[in-house]
Amino acid sequence: GAGVSQTPSNKVTEKGKYVELRCDPISGHTALYWYRQSLGQGPEFLIYFQGTGAADDSGLPNDRFFAVRPEGSVSTLKIQRTERGDSAVYLCASSFTSGGYNEQFFGPGTRLTVL
Amino acid sequence: DAKTTQPPSMDCAEGRAANLPCNHSTISGNEYVYWYRQIHSQGPQYIIHGLKNNETNEMASLIITEDRKSSTLILPHATLRDTAVYYCIVRVGGNAGNMLTFGGGTRLMVKP
Repeated sequence: GAGVSQTPSNKVTEKGKYVELRCDPISGHTALYWYRQSLGQGPEFLIYFQGTGAADDSGLPNDRFFAVRPEGSVSTLKIQRTERGDSAVYLCASSFTSGGYNEQFFGPGTRLTVL
Repeated sequence: DAKTTQPPSMDCAEGRAANLPCNHSTISGNEYVYWYRQIHSQGPQYIIHGLKNNETNEMASLIITEDRKSSTLILPHATLRDTAVYYCIVRVGGNAGNMLTFGGGTRLMVKP
């Protein structure tokens, strides 16, 4: 079956521009997570959705980052006024429900490069 | 969530067992031990998890010490495709457990 998909796979932008990264979770998965992974480090949590609502956005680094999931399926991570430090791989994961018993399935990530 | 400590890197010969250790000395009673791995240029992949009993699935075995302060992931017959970064994560079970907190992981290199 189809796994988690993310588009684009690569995004190059200039400092100060706005970008949107898209995540299509596994069908039927109600929980969706965004992580960010810098080179040589493990992924860091950004935000978690249960259905349409953001249940935990404590990992968003500042107010330039925002994410939505309006219909409880596809999610978009939005970054305003990008900075070079935002360059990283942005990973999306989904699980059947939230909670520690549920395996998270990860997408391949979007590699964002801010010049 | 409690923190984990893993060696930064390990080598293993192809066909031999790979034993990856993890220390989680401050683990709480309601926290599970999870293992994920990340092959180069891919997202992390779930391997196995356990609470206090040893667990085995088609990918690996998980051995948790009786005091739960450490665990070992065992890949019984490592192949070149098992070369990856392996992350040991402790996470609250049930509805309270949400995000995964990744550390640096262990970079396993399987050599022919």
